[in-house]
Amino acid sequence: AQSVTQLGSHVSVSEGALVLLRCNYSSSVPPYLFWYVQYPNQGLQLLLKYTTGATLVKGINGFEAEFKKSETSFHLTKPSAHMSDAAEYFCAVSERGYGGSQGNLIFGKGTKLSVKP
Amino acid sequence: GAGVSQSPSNKVTEKGKDVELRCDPISGHTALYWYRQSLGQGLEFLIYFQGNSAPDKSGLPSDRFSAERTGGSVSTLTIQRTQQEDSAVYLCASSLRGDTQYFGPGTRLTVL
Repeated sequence: AQSVTQLGSHVSVSEGALVLLRCNYSSSVPPYLFWYVQYPNQGLQLLLKYTTGATLVKGINGFEAEFKKSETSFHLTKPSAHMSDAAEYFCAVSERGYGGSQGNLIFGKGTKLSVKP
Repeated sequence: GAGVSQSPSNKVTEKGKDVELRCDPISGHTALYWYRQSLGQGLEFLIYFQGNSAPDKSGLPSDRFSAERTGGSVSTLTIQRTQQEDSAVYLCASSLRGDTQYFGPGTRLTVL
């Protein structure tokens, strides 16, 4: 069965500092991997995804993540945090469905990012 | 075009009542997913539709939960005889042929 572990339910950084949110996954087959962001009282917005190909994936708002198969990790980074990055971030995994489509998402518990001025 | 929409945005009900939650997916999206987000359980998958068929209902927590989709578009999630543990935010997502899932804003359900 697939699972996702996000280390740290809360992460606090200073504005301008590096953001690193950790995600490890468990999957018996090559997975699809995702990072979603959720702002208060809103739905989930896709930041980036890994399906195949290049293991370093760039997303919106300056975020990127690297798929490391040997470490079963997909950590999210951003070189310089902005106040507007304060939100909750969810890592997710899905199996490859029929024809390469995506199955349902299995989410981690989320990491709440705070950005201090 | 418009994104995924859900209604109502908030629903307060009494224990034992039935509720219906609605999801309007992005036009043309063939796949539709329901998830539940609660403090204790995090984000959980409930059910997946491909067209009007539901090949994966594995996440529905009990037989009080059911869902249907008509015309390959709108979906309704019904919870019968609501319990306090059903209180959560119910999220709907749609995708084009099973690709990236786009989420709606959710319906916050409170069972008193």
